[in-house]
Amino acid sequence: NAGVTQTPKFRILKIGQSMTLQCTQDMNHNYMYWYRQDPGMGLKLIYYSVGAGITDKGEVPNGYNVSRSTTEDFPLRLELAAPSQTSVYFCASSYGSGADRRFSTDTQYFGPGTRLTVL
Amino acid sequence: AQTVTQSQPEMSVQEAETVTLSCTYDTSESNYYLFWYKQPPSRQMILVIRQEAYKQQNATENRFSVNFQKAAKSFSLKISDSQLGDTAMYFCAFLPPGTYKYIFGTGTRLKVLA
Repeated sequence: NAGVTQTPKFRILKIGQSMTLQCTQDMNHNYMYWYRQDPGMGLKLIYYSVGAGITDKGEVPNGYNVSRSTTEDFPLRLELAAPSQTSVYFCASSYGSGADRRFSTDTQYFGPGTRLTVL
Repeated sequence: AQTVTQSQPEMSVQEAETVTLSCTYDTSESNYYLFWYKQPPSRQMILVIRQEAYKQQNATENRFSVNFQKAAKSFSLKISDSQLGDTAMYFCAFLPPGTYKYIFGTGTRLKVLA
């Protein structure tokens, strides 16, 4: 049981380039999340998904796209990278409980993060 | 708006001593969840402790315990017998009811001194 895995660990992009950050979880969690963490700051939610085929915007979605074709994978796409996207990106997952699974009472489990620099 | 405030950007403690990290939050809800996460230099976010607001008993996990004051909207973390491995950034997080989106504080950087 690997938990939440992210690739790559580090990446340097030039302005205008695109890339996909990969995230996979093997815990059969229905909820998945992408956060960014800027230096000295807390985590900000970029996008989240409550199940395969369902995604929604978080607090800071501009410049990013996501897809969720399977329960396990939740890739984050950066189009036209900008210096403002230099950050550490974390993927997380959790199991939604409750009668309609909208109230996730369980802990979010985080991946190790991807450090992205845009020059 | 619901917010989480950690008023101590940095703290230090001697090894084997006890330290308390503070967290306050703002909400009009009565049932919610609170968490403390640890982020060591490796950057991995690790759950330290979890508290359910409807439970009056303070959560405890080995050397880690919380002081949950619901009326004051305060959720402090106490680390007893501090160890060098406790050196990390600590984040307080709030999970409102009916949602799955955490609200994180800005963190407290804790350094344990030998």
